[in-house]
Amino acid sequence: DGGITQSPKYLFRKEGQNVTLSCEQNLNHDAMYWYRQDPGQGLRLIYYSQIVNDFQKGDIAEGYSVSREKKESFPLTVTSAQKNPTAFYLCASSIIRTKNSPLHFGNGTRLTVT
Amino acid sequence: KNQVEQSPQSLIILEGKNCTLQCNYTVSPFSNLRWYKQDTGRGPVSLTIMTFSENTKSNGRYTATLDADTKQSSLHITASQLSDSASYICVVRDGNAGGTSYGKLTFGQGTILTVHP
Repeated sequence: DGGITQSPKYLFRKEGQNVTLSCEQNLNHDAMYWYRQDPGQGLRLIYYSQIVNDFQKGDIAEGYSVSREKKESFPLTVTSAQKNPTAFYLCASSIIRTKNSPLHFGNGTRLTVT
Repeated sequence: KNQVEQSPQSLIILEGKNCTLQCNYTVSPFSNLRWYKQDTGRGPVSLTIMTFSENTKSNGRYTATLDADTKQSSLHITASQLSDSASYICVVRDGNAGGTSYGKLTFGQGTILTVHP
């Protein structure tokens, strides 16, 4: 089955540590995205990539970094510079040739930093 | 600033009943509006998309409407089932070229629907 796999599902870290969230897709989509979801708020875009070896900052990129070395993979690193990292992180992918193509989401990683 | 507001924030209904969720937006220029369903602890899944020229679109027991003049959309769920318990998210894409694949997406905060037996 085609889809997006995020791992791990739950992640716990101590304050001051960097942590990397994995996102893999086998949908052959060019575009991949990272969103952050907080209670009572709409999803907010962290980073996106439309092609291998290229990515762009979203609305809340500070304290995060990404890489896109392979079409299938788009890992997100939450650095110690992110002031409030505890959240639910969603990875998504889409076709970019049409504006009506939907986002396909993974099942998220819940990060808790204490 | 583009905004998407959903109401109500949460809703509880009995199994078998109908309900309607609302979405008001100020995104301009408008490109399309999509409704997603998000089960607890999972990623959102697309239910339906509405473009400017469409007024109504159905997907099984889900019917979405769009009034582009008043910038309002609704999602009507008929004969609700326990599996309909989820958060329903309204997402509007603006019509500006460039950005993330043909325009920026603005997400509503979601309506949490609980269906009781």
